[in-house]
Amino acid sequence: KAGVTQTPRYLIKTRGQQVTLSCSPISGHRSVSWYQQTPGQGLQFLFEYFSETQRNKGNFPGRFSGRQFSNSRSEMNVSTLELGDSALYLCASSLMGTGKETQYFGPGTRLLVL
Amino acid sequence: GESVGLHLPTLSVQEGDNSIINCAYSNSASDYFIWYKQESGKGPQFIIDIRSNMDKRQGQRVTVLLNKTVKHLSLQIAATQPGDSAVYFCAENILYQGAQKLVFGQGTRLTINP
Repeated sequence: KAGVTQTPRYLIKTRGQQVTLSCSPISGHRSVSWYQQTPGQGLQFLFEYFSETQRNKGNFPGRFSGRQFSNSRSEMNVSTLELGDSALYLCASSLMGTGKETQYFGPGTRLLVL
Repeated sequence: GESVGLHLPTLSVQEGDNSIINCAYSNSASDYFIWYKQESGKGPQFIIDIRSNMDKRQGQRVTVLLNKTVKHLSLQIAATQPGDSAVYFCAENILYQGAQKLVFGQGTRLTINP
């Protein structure tokens, strides 16, 4: 079974631009979560989607948004990019998002904001 | 923040020795815990998990211990190999507002000396 895939793997943007990242979960997984990883803050939860609905959101500004499609694929969008948005963005999928099952991570998208 | 990445602890061990990586978690109501391994340039990789109704679980060369009294997890790696060099994170899988999210520890960098 293929793992979680994320595209693109690397991105360079400038301040003020916006960016869209994509995540395809493991086949059959319906819960998709997004995390931001930086050297200073570690791994921080962004949001979780299940059946095209955002069920949970972390402590990030409204510039960070996402969505999930009927095939469980998910995208996240960051608008008006700031230098501090430079990070590794990780997507994780699990079967139903019950809190009692493993979340499997993709390789991440490394975003650099100049 | 929920996951503090500053001052990443480092553990150096000789190849062939056993390693013990420790982690404190925050939520006494958490009932599912996961250890992840993250190699440079990659996403976190699942190693082993444990539920709160257990205090020990063994995998291949790895053992996780859970002490709920003091909210402490440990990961033991037997006969460490060069391929074990990575950053190791513990994570609590928390149910929040009916949806799951992972709260990560700060991580420990494991270095294997030949």
